[in-house]
Amino acid sequence: EVQLVESGGGLVQPGGSLRLSCAASGFTFSSYPMTWVRQAPGKGLEWVSLISGSGEITYYGDSVKGRFTISRDNSMKTLYLQMNNLRVEDTAVYYCAKCFVGYYYGMDVWGQGTTVTVSS
Amino acid sequence: DIQMTQSPSSVSASVGDRVTITCRASQGISSWLAWYQQKPGKAPKLLISAASSLQSGVSSRFSGSRSGTEFTLTISSLRPEDLATYYCQQTNSFPHTFGQGTKLEIK
Repeated sequence: EVQLVESGGGLVQPGGSLRLSCAASGFTFSSYPMTWVRQAPGKGLEWVSLISGSGEITYYGDSVKGRFTISRDNSMKTLYLQMNNLRVEDTAVYYCAKCFVGYYYGMDVWGQGTTVTVSS
Repeated sequence: DIQMTQSPSSVSASVGDRVTITCRASQGISSWLAWYQQKPGKAPKLLISAASSLQSGVSSRFSGSRSGTEFTLTISSLRPEDLATYYCQQTNSFPHTFGQGTKLEIK
């Protein structure tokens, strides 16, 4: 069964850091780009970041550029999101998702999400 | 960045109705558009990629089309299980921006 399981969410103070993980199973992890998407409480989806299958190419949304770092360990079939200098507006459910085919066809497999709360 | 504008923001329809949701891109994105369905408390589900390609296992009641920079998701005959919020996403250039969502309610 193709599956993604996120972990690492929690409560953190403004200015703090957190690292999210996403464990993949059921598919050849290294063959697919992976993304992070977030959803603030009661709001819509916001694309956060994408990493190529090899891990050599990364892209970021404007709101997280310079603060968040996406990475992957293909030997461990795990995707990461290192979040630094967190802000209250980063509070959201964070989903990892597998790209369907390359960069252009959307995301066909999603995790259940992990909740990040930034508050003092 | 490319802006995606969805309309309407919410729609209420009856079982059996035909429902249309529109997404307009602020610039050309070819056919690089995906549609997702998100049910309450759940992760999004990919319905359509490349503007009109139906994902395997998705009901044929769903269809997508493109006219220039305007894209349409159509549900041909609404069913109660279609209660959800629907999002478009452009995948032509980074960042891969989403529309603001359309909340579909069943009368």
